[in-house]
Order: sequence, then structure tokens, then C-alpha cells
Amino acid sequence: GESVGLHLPTLSVQEGDNSIINCAYSNSASDYFIWYKQESGKGPQFIIDIRSNMDKRQGQRVTVLLNKTVKHLSLQIAATQPGDSAVYFCAENRAGYALNFGKGTSLLVT
Amino acid sequence: EAQVTQNPRYLITVTGKKLTVTCSQNMNHEYMSWYRQDPGLGLRQIYYSMNVEVTDKGDVPEGYKVSRKEKRNFPLILESPSPNQTSLYFCASSLVGAVEKLFFGSGTQLSVL
Repeated sequence: GESVGLHLPTLSVQEGDNSIINCAYSNSASDYFIWYKQESGKGPQFIIDIRSNMDKRQGQRVTVLLNKTVKHLSLQIAATQPGDSAVYFCAENRAGYALNFGKGTSLLVT
Repeated sequence: EAQVTQNPRYLITVTGKKLTVTCSQNMNHEYMSWYRQDPGLGLRQIYYSMNVEVTDKGDVPEGYKVSRKEKRNFPLILESPSPNQTSLYFCASSLVGAVEKLFFGSGTQLSVL
């Protein structure tokens, strides 16, 4: 079936470096894609979303890139800080009112 | 403070003993949903609700029931829990026109022995 998947289950970066978390999706009909952050012991928290008619969207220290040709989504975090350590999920909307989540990438900032 | 409140935070039970996990939101959201999170499997949707008295199955509804009698509450019911329902459960809510921006509760860690 349709799914989203993250390329790497874990990612380790040094404080101050930029982080890039990648995600592949398979559903060409998705209208939007979303990134969530889950800190230890907490529920996921919305970070940023991007509509399928966009290539790039920027937030505060985060940028999401969407490449529909290769069905690839990435989250870039500038000047990574210890507080960015968390599990990051990409998600896509499905038919109706549901989100399909990927399995998550654990980001460790050292 | 805008929040989604789940109770209990931790629950240990035995096979077959009915239980209910409560979920309440104070943001007047129409949309509410339950997810379970398992290692290596990510978040999987159990049930969701578009509004009062409207519920639909998600990806893994077997063994679960829900009800939506009031807008703010969306309890998850396990009539006869089994060990394979041991998991971390999250309730979430959003405006019906902004399902991408889900607000999640802090989770309920359930262990079924």
C-alpha cells in the first residue's frame, strides 16, 4: 500500500551544524506533507507543512523541500541545537481526513 | 492553556479486563483521533472522529472501540485487551479543516499482561 518512509532511523550531528532529515513517499495524490517532532516522553508536535504545489517552505530555523519528481521530502534544521534532539516524523495526508506517518528518524545533537 | 489531556499516563492490566483511556481537548476541535506507537512501526491510526457522533476506522481498529458523545471527549475502549495491544497510545485533535496540524496528548503507556 501507499506509505511514507524515512531514509535513516538515526542521525547524529554536532551542535551548530545543519541537519537534513530525508523522507520518501509513494502517494502521488497527497495534497500536503508535514513534519512532526517528538521529544522524549511527549506527544508529537507539528513543525511545518508544505502543500504539494510548492517546492520549498521556510519556518523558523527549518526549511522543508519537496521534490515531486522523485517523491522526496526533506527537513533542514539550521544551526542545530541540543533542544532539537528528538524523533522527527514525516507524514502525508491520505484520502479523507487522516495522516499517514513515517517511522521516524531519531536526531541526536552532540 | 490549549491542550489534549489523556488519562491515565501509565496503565498495567491483564488480558481480558476491559479498560478505557480517556481523552479530552479544550480547543473546540471537531476532529479527534487515536494513534498507537510501536517501535519500528511509527504511528498508526486506530480511529478518528470528524465531529460528535461521527467516527471512522483507521488502519488498525481491531480490538478497539471509540465514542464521541461530546465534542471535547473521545475515549478509547478496549473491551477485552490482549498482549498485542501493549503499546504507547496518543490522542490528537485538530480543526476539521486543518488536520495536518494535529495537537497530541502526552500519551498513555499501556501494558497488557
